[in-house]
Amino acid sequence: NAGVMQNPRHLVRRRGQEARLRCSPMKGHSHVYWYRQLPEEGLKFMVYLQKENIIDESGMPKERFSAEFPKEGPSILRIQQVVRGDSAAYFCASSRQRARLQETQYFGPGTRLLVL
Amino acid sequence: DAKTTQPNSMESNEEEPVHLPCNHSTISGTDYIHWYRQLPSQGPEYVIHGLTSNVNNRMASLAIAEDRKSSTLILHRATLRDAAVYYCILHFGNEKLTFGTGTRLTIIP
Repeated sequence: NAGVMQNPRHLVRRRGQEARLRCSPMKGHSHVYWYRQLPEEGLKFMVYLQKENIIDESGMPKERFSAEFPKEGPSILRIQQVVRGDSAAYFCASSRQRARLQETQYFGPGTRLLVL
Repeated sequence: DAKTTQPNSMESNEEEPVHLPCNHSTISGTDYIHWYRQLPSQGPEYVIHGLTSNVNNRMASLAIAEDRKSSTLILHRATLRDAAVYYCILHFGNEKLTFGTGTRLTIIP
């Protein structure tokens, strides 16, 4: 059973370009979370999605960042017009159905974004 | 969000037990206590979780105080591979995880 997959693992962009980060959840998981880890800092929640729905985007910057989790295919975190401050590791996690009281989140290996 | 307090860093000798403490005095009745760890250059990894009773799995044990205001993660025999940042997180259902600064565990060969 494959774990959470993220690609690319490393991404280099110049200021002003767009970055697209992909996340394929574990088989059977319908909930996806994105977290960001700035250099030498802890992980910060960004957004929580279910298939075709954004459940909680309270951690997303108001501009340039968007996320989707379509009915088919991976979840995408999109950063438009990247700036140097966007350089970070972006982690995706997935979990199973919502009704359970104790859901574990399983994390992918992350995408390390470097903005030049 | 209910908060947790952990020591910034700890050291332990290889092949000895390690006790990682966590205080969570504002825990609510529905909060589960989760532990994750993050090895260098990797994503966080689930370790263990519990509600009221002590828990054991192949990775670790979790000892929860009777009033639930603190807990201790126990690694029974630390190896070099256990060097990581350990996060104690209060969590309910499918909510987001709120990571603190965690405890950086160093294992001395």
